[in-house]
Amino acid sequence: GESVGLHLPTLSVQEGDNSIINCAYSNSASDYFIWYKQESGKGPQFIIDIRSNMDKRQGQRVTVLLNKTVKHLSLQIAATQPGDSAVYFCADFNTGKLIFGQGTTLQVKP
Amino acid sequence: DAGVTQSPTHLIKTRGQHVTLRCSPISGHKSVSWYQQVLGQGPQFIFQYYEKEERGRGNFPDRFSARQFPNYSSELNVNALLLGDSALYLCASSLDIDRVWETQYFGPGTRLLVL
Repeated sequence: GESVGLHLPTLSVQEGDNSIINCAYSNSASDYFIWYKQESGKGPQFIIDIRSNMDKRQGQRVTVLLNKTVKHLSLQIAATQPGDSAVYFCADFNTGKLIFGQGTTLQVKP
Repeated sequence: DAGVTQSPTHLIKTRGQHVTLRCSPISGHKSVSWYQQVLGQGPQFIFQYYEKEERGRGNFPDRFSARQFPNYSSELNVNALLLGDSALYLCASSLDIDRVWETQYFGPGTRLLVL
């Protein structure tokens, strides 16, 4: 069946370092892949998306890489800040539905 | 401008009871989606409504139902509650149903505990 998952449940990084959060997906027919950030007590917040025909997309301090050969997606956060501490979800969009993965908790150490 | 609002914020019910959760979308947003988020997992899609019509449904039993009103607010109803229904229920509104994530905002959720 279709699934979207992340490799590690928790990632701990030093403030100022770069963070890389990974995601594996199974549905080759997905049109878009999206990254969300969820802070404690809040709903998910859109970070960045990438269309399935692209390999890389950059935003402000974030980069998403898509490797369709191995069905792998990653989110890179440059110069990680304490405010980046949250749970990060990847999601894919197919047949009108958003399918979320399980999430990685990013902990930023001062 | 107010974001997506949900009520109540917290709710405790017992098995077999029914519950109604409410959502008010951002002004101008015509689509509302509902998600269930079990602790430690990602949100799971339940329903999407657009212009008062159901446009999408996830893999949830018929105990789950929803509707959207003329003012675009929405209700999620769950009958015959089970312990496994304990979760955070998220409502999200968007301008339309295409590429929803581009204009979609989530509310803070209603935390439901079934005892």
